[in-house]
Order: sequence, then C-alpha cells, then structure tokens
Amino acid sequence: NAGVTQTPKFQVLKTGQSMTLQCAQDMNHNSMYWYRQDPGMGLRLIYYSASEGTTDKGEVPNGYNVSRLNKREFSLRLESAAPSQTSVYFCATHHRTGTEAFFGQGTRLTVV
Amino acid sequence: QQPVQSPQAVILREGEDAVINCSSSKALYSVHWYRQKHGEAPIFLMILLKGGEQKGHDKISASFNEKKQQSSLYLTASQLSYSGTYFCGTPISNFGNEKLTFGTGTRLTIIP
Repeated sequence: NAGVTQTPKFQVLKTGQSMTLQCAQDMNHNSMYWYRQDPGMGLRLIYYSASEGTTDKGEVPNGYNVSRLNKREFSLRLESAAPSQTSVYFCATHHRTGTEAFFGQGTRLTVV
Repeated sequence: QQPVQSPQAVILREGEDAVINCSSSKALYSVHWYRQKHGEAPIFLMILLKGGEQKGHDKISASFNEKKQQSSLYLTASQLSYSGTYFCGTPISNFGNEKLTFGTGTRLTIIP
C-alpha cells in the first residue's frame, strides 16, 4: 500500500522542453489534485479532478495540461517548460468532502 | 481564492503557546489543517466541519467559526517537533465540485 506515488522525484529541464509528471494512488480515492509550491506562496492549485475523465482548472493552470485516464492516475504535462515553472509539485488525493487529503512526496523541477 | 493566514512566521521557545489564524472571503464548509516539515510532504492534522467546533490533537487544537469564516490553530506547550510550516486548506465549491485550496502558510520555529 504505497498511498500516493509521484515520479520523478527530481528533474532538470531546459527551457522549451516538455515533460509529464506522473501521479498514482492506490487508495481508491475519487478526487486528485496537482499543486505547486514556491517560497512564500504556499500551495497553489494547478488542476483538480473530481473523478475519472473530469478535470477542472485551479488557481494557476496556465502552461499546464492534465489527464485523468483512470481512477488511479493523474498526470501533469508541461508542453514547453519555462523558468517560471521551476517549483516543487505535489499530487494529492482525497476520498470526498470532509476527509483528509494525502500528498505524494513531491517532484522538484528546475527549468534552466 | 486562497485563504489568508497570519502570522506569516513565528518563533517560540519550547513550552510557549502559539495561535495561527486562517480566514476566507468565501463561505467555509470545512477547514483542514496540515503541517509540513522542510523537504517533506504536508501531513494532515485535523479537519473541522461545523461552525464553532473545536478539535484536539495531542496539544494542538483548533476552532472554526463558520459565520466569521475563520479558523484558528492553537499549539500549547510547544515542543521542538512542532516546528514546520502550517497550512490551512479550504474547499471552494464550484458547480458541485469542491476544490481544496491552501493558504500561504505559517512558518513556526521552536527553539530550545
């Protein structure tokens, strides 16, 4: 029972490169999230998925796309990475309203 | 849409008490509290679901005033292990989906 697993843990990209951050959960939760964390900014919501096949924009969606192909997996794609996307990215899940959220260990992304 | 936390940072000596506040401009149905150690994922502390409800977790407790759209986290007789950044999270309802958004965090440092 791994909980929430993010891959990779670290990544360095050159400006303009693309990549996909993967998130998988084995908790059978409906809701999944992608957040980015920058110093002094807290956790900012990028995208949210209430269930398989549905996604919704969060506070800072520009420059990102997401895919929720099944209940377990929620991926975040950067089509053309920019230095402003240097951040720590967290995936999270929770079962339903009023229940705790569980976070992955994070992906530290640097764009040079 | 992020909730607002105060103070941004606080330094305490071991054994002292602290209060961290969280307020929202939108109606609150619940408030989550999380703690994050440096380099780690946020860990769940508690959820408050009703107006005026107070919960406890060891020497950490919280209150939730639904009418004032505020919550406060109380840390009494602080221990070194309480150091970290504390986040409040508030679900934002949007067409039946609830997206969990977080404040910018309060960095708590406990010194011996």
